[in-house]
Formats: sequence, structure tokens, C-alpha cells
Amino acid sequence: AQSVSQHNHHVILSEAASLELGCNYSYGGTVNLFWYVQYPGQHLQLLLKYFSGDPLVKGMKGFEAEFIKSKFSFNLRKPSVQWSDTAEYFCAVRSGGSQGNLIFGKGTKLSVKP
Amino acid sequence: DTAVSQTPKYLVTQMGNDKSIKCEQNLGHDTMYWYKQDSKKFLKIMFSYNNKELIINETVPNRFSPKSPDKAHLNLHINSLELGDSAVYFCASSPQGYWGEQYFGPGTRLTVT
Repeated sequence: AQSVSQHNHHVILSEAASLELGCNYSYGGTVNLFWYVQYPGQHLQLLLKYFSGDPLVKGMKGFEAEFIKSKFSFNLRKPSVQWSDTAEYFCAVRSGGSQGNLIFGKGTKLSVKP
Repeated sequence: DTAVSQTPKYLVTQMGNDKSIKCEQNLGHDTMYWYKQDSKKFLKIMFSYNNKELIINETVPNRFSPKSPDKAHLNLHINSLELGDSAVYFCASSPQGYWGEQYFGPGTRLTVT
């Protein structure tokens, strides 16, 4: 069965620090990869996505993620975090052959200290 | 205008009751979903409907019954509520062929006492 692992449960950073959140998945075929963000008290929003092409994808608010097929990873990065980035971040994977079955990781809570 | 809306936002009820949560999307999407987010923030799909037809039904008790009167609506009815049903329930939708790119509603926080 497919699974998605997010290694960090809670990350605490100071403003301007660099961020990298890990995400690994277990599926050998074609995948679509996503990062969703849930700001406090709000609903999930799509942050960025990878379907094909350039493995380095850029999303909103300066976030980017790199798909490394050999490592089954799709880590999220941001060079300099802001207090407003405090949120829960979810990695998600959809295998190429299934209809809409998005598998989510357990989420990483990011707390940015001002 | 809200793209995916859910009502109610909060629902507090007693064990054994029957309740419904409504979801509507005005994005013209063909596919709609229900997810359950537990107290540890783990998000798990429950149901998926495409053009009013059920296409995914994960391991969910049959006390949960989704109903899609049209492709813009997907309601969730829960019978005989149990304490373990307490969670946040999210509705989502996606365009045909872009099933991973989902638009989520604000969630309904269900508390069963």
C-alpha cells in the first residue's frame, strides 16, 4: 500500500532561518506530488505541485520543493521563513493510476518565532 | 465568493444521534471528496464522488453515508454517532483529470459528547 512519511512532527524556527521539511513516499510507479498548507484556523490550501517536467517546483510565498525520484522524496524548502509561515504542512501523493485517491502524510507543524 | 463551503462549521451532539454535514462547491468540478482529520491532524480520505457516482469508499463504518444530489453537492450523513467520530471533516473538490489538485472547504468540527 502507498504511504507518505513526514519525518518531522514539529519544527520550531526563528524568523529568517532556512526551512526544509522532509517527505518520502512509497510507490514505485508514476506519482503526482503535492504540498498543502493549513494556516491556524483555516482550511487546507495547495502550496505547490509536481506532475512532470522540471523536478524543482516553485509555489506561493517563496516555497519550493524538489522531486528526487531515486530517493522517493519531495522535500519542501524555503530559504528564509517568516512568522506568517507558521502552519501545518502536509505532503500528499497520488499514484498515476488511481482516481483521486490522495494519500496524505501526517503533517509537520511549523512554528516560527518572531 | 466561497469556492467550497460546508455547513455547519461546528457541530456538537450527543452519542446515538444522527447528523448531516453539507458541502457545496461552485467551481464546476466533477469530483468531490470527504476527509476526516483526527485529533493528531492526520487526514484520511473517506469517500470520493465523480459526477454523482461513488468511486472511492475507504474503510468507513456504514453509519457514514454520503449523498450527492448533483455534482455541486456532496453531503455526509452520520447515523448513531459515537465518541470516536469526533474530528474535523473536510469536504474537497477537484476538476476532472486533476484529482490531486484539490480545493478544500473550511471544515466542520464535530464533537460527540
